[in-house]
Amino acid sequence: DTGVSQNPRHKITKRGQNVTFRCDPISEHNRLYWYRQTLGQGPEFLTYFQNEAQLEKSRLLSDRFSAERPKGSFSTLEIQRTEQGDSAMYLCASRPRAGNSGANVLTFGAGSRLTVL
Amino acid sequence: GESVGLHLPTLSVQEGDNSIINCAYSNSASDYFIWYKQESGKGPQFIIDIRSNMDKRQGQRVTVLLNKTVKHLSLQIAATQPGDSAVYFCAENNSGGGADGLTFGKGTHLIIQP
Repeated sequence: DTGVSQNPRHKITKRGQNVTFRCDPISEHNRLYWYRQTLGQGPEFLTYFQNEAQLEKSRLLSDRFSAERPKGSFSTLEIQRTEQGDSAMYLCASRPRAGNSGANVLTFGAGSRLTVL
Repeated sequence: GESVGLHLPTLSVQEGDNSIINCAYSNSASDYFIWYKQESGKGPQFIIDIRSNMDKRQGQRVTVLLNKTVKHLSLQIAATQPGDSAVYFCAENNSGGGADGLTFGKGTHLIIQP
């Protein structure tokens, strides 16, 4: 297993365009998270999946944002009608099933950096 | 060198010295704490964690101290090396609070001077 994989690593888009990011978690991890990180700040929680179910969404996740994890494996995060304020690093992380060894530790991917012009 | 992570975002230490990075957390119900290291252009990388029923935990060259009375967490790095240069984040989790994710602090940028 190569860890949490995210793509694309970088995306530059014009304001108003839609973008989609993909996350492939560690295969045996059933919990998947999306975070957003802006320059000089810590990661901010966006949303959380347990298997295919989206169990929690932050108020940061406006209606232009949608995340899916249709088969309980990879996940996508789509941003519609992008705004300049959406420019950030979008981090995906995964965790093992609760009760398993290391269940509290989030393993992060390298992130997808979005620049909205 | 020593810093308060939320009030002094940069800490500069000489290579070989020990460093202490501090973090004040906000939720008294948090029962799990974790330190991450983030190098430029990379995602956060796990360093060490501690549960609220402990006050100290040691790893390889790193020690985490937890003071629940004042809601304070610190990361000590012994004999710093150039590869320790990064931004360090503390994070907290309240397993009974319904929010399954971690809440991160703002981070401290550790610079190792040769």
